[in-house]
Amino acid sequence: AQSVTQLDSHVSVSEGTPVLLRCNYSSSYSPSLFWYVQHPNKGLQLLLKYTSAATLVKGINGFEAEFKKSETSFHLTKPSAHMSDAAEYFCVVINTGTASKLTFGTGTRLQVTL
Amino acid sequence: GAVVSQHPSWVICKSGTSVKIECRSLDFQATTMFWYRQFPKQSLMLMATSNEGSKATYEQGVEKDKFLINHASLTLSTLTVTSAHPEDSSFYICSATPPGRVEQFFGPGTRLTVL
Repeated sequence: AQSVTQLDSHVSVSEGTPVLLRCNYSSSYSPSLFWYVQHPNKGLQLLLKYTSAATLVKGINGFEAEFKKSETSFHLTKPSAHMSDAAEYFCVVINTGTASKLTFGTGTRLQVTL
Repeated sequence: GAVVSQHPSWVICKSGTSVKIECRSLDFQATTMFWYRQFPKQSLMLMATSNEGSKATYEQGVEKDKFLINHASLTLSTLTVTSAHPEDSSFYICSATPPGRVEQFFGPGTRLTVL
């Protein structure tokens, strides 16, 4: 079985400061991991993905994440937050053993203040 | 590329009526599509896996006779909420994976409100 734990339900940062959204995973196999962003009343947009290639993954809008197998972590970072980054972020692992079903974290709401 | 659309984006209906939601992959063919439900301030819950040309696979606890899924072509899956009740009000999202990719691409979602 696979699982994902997002350690913070809510993160608040000031505009221009770094962002850190934490995610830990549990997997019996080598996982594929994703970060998605969801703005209010919208679908999910893929930010970045890890699929067993480079452990430091760069995504869209200046986000990146590092896969650390020893820590079973896949934290999302951005050097400088922008007001438009305010949204809900989901860490997701693919369950390759069951027809490509996704396992979602509970989400982290990012608030960006002036 | 890899765009998924949904129609309608929102719908309001009376209790007891049926509502159909469409999910289309615009620039790729999808043998499998997924339907999710999302309650306010919660994560997505997988309802069913839609398979082109065959029956959908429903997750435990999801009523297959209430949530009818049809995947008649490689670019279209439909979810019909039959005899809708207020408790069916929710945000419904579909997704699909292009051939050769592992990530899912999501539609913009459909907000269903049952009065």
